[in-house]
Amino acid sequence: DAGITQSPRYKITETGRQVTLMCHQTWSHSYMFWYRQDLGHGLRLIYYSAAADITDKGEVPDGYVVSRSKTENFPLTLESATRSQTSVYFCASRSTGASTEAFFGQGTRLTVV
Amino acid sequence: DQQVKQNSPSLSVQEGRISILNCDYTNSMFDYFLWYKKYPAEGPTFLISISSIKDKNEDGRFTVFLNKSAKHLSLHIVPSQPGDSAVYFCAASEIQGAQKLVFGQGTRLTINP
Repeated sequence: DAGITQSPRYKITETGRQVTLMCHQTWSHSYMFWYRQDLGHGLRLIYYSAAADITDKGEVPDGYVVSRSKTENFPLTLESATRSQTSVYFCASRSTGASTEAFFGQGTRLTVV
Repeated sequence: DQQVKQNSPSLSVQEGRISILNCDYTNSMFDYFLWYKKYPAEGPTFLISISSIKDKNEDGRFTVFLNKSAKHLSLHIVPSQPGDSAVYFCAASEIQGAQKLVFGQGTRLTINP
């Protein structure tokens, strides 16, 4: 299916566990992003990537790791999950060039207990 | 340091009337602005955008106004319909550079029949 997909949609994990959220896009967009949505904060950027093997920190990167070995995939790993990382996570992609919008996945609701 | 602010967490409007959602930004390097709409349990979807060379962009019932000197933009929806009830996010980016979108906190719009 064309588009951008995230998996899993829902995840419950324990404090201290490592968990990886997956993101896959079929448009070959250069840019990919991870955001988290929390009440009162809107969408905050965790990490982004301009191309394969190029990643950079966003506003709230602590506790997260990303990789981008292929253009279409951009996994987000929580190395040792904490309760403060309970959130809804959104992946997005965007093509290069001026004046383009980003397309979002359906989100992953992560609960850390 | 919130670079994009939506100061109204919620807004309630009568069906058929105009809805006006506001957004302020502080970074003068932003030159492309977008509005996203989000329903529960779904990812944000692009609604309308405007570049800094314009002061108005219209698409059907949706119009975005940009006041660069005041660093303020607004989204007008007229007439408002029940299906417009959602959370609306304002976002900003620089056309050059990292292409990342910076989001506001969101405004929950409720259209009353």
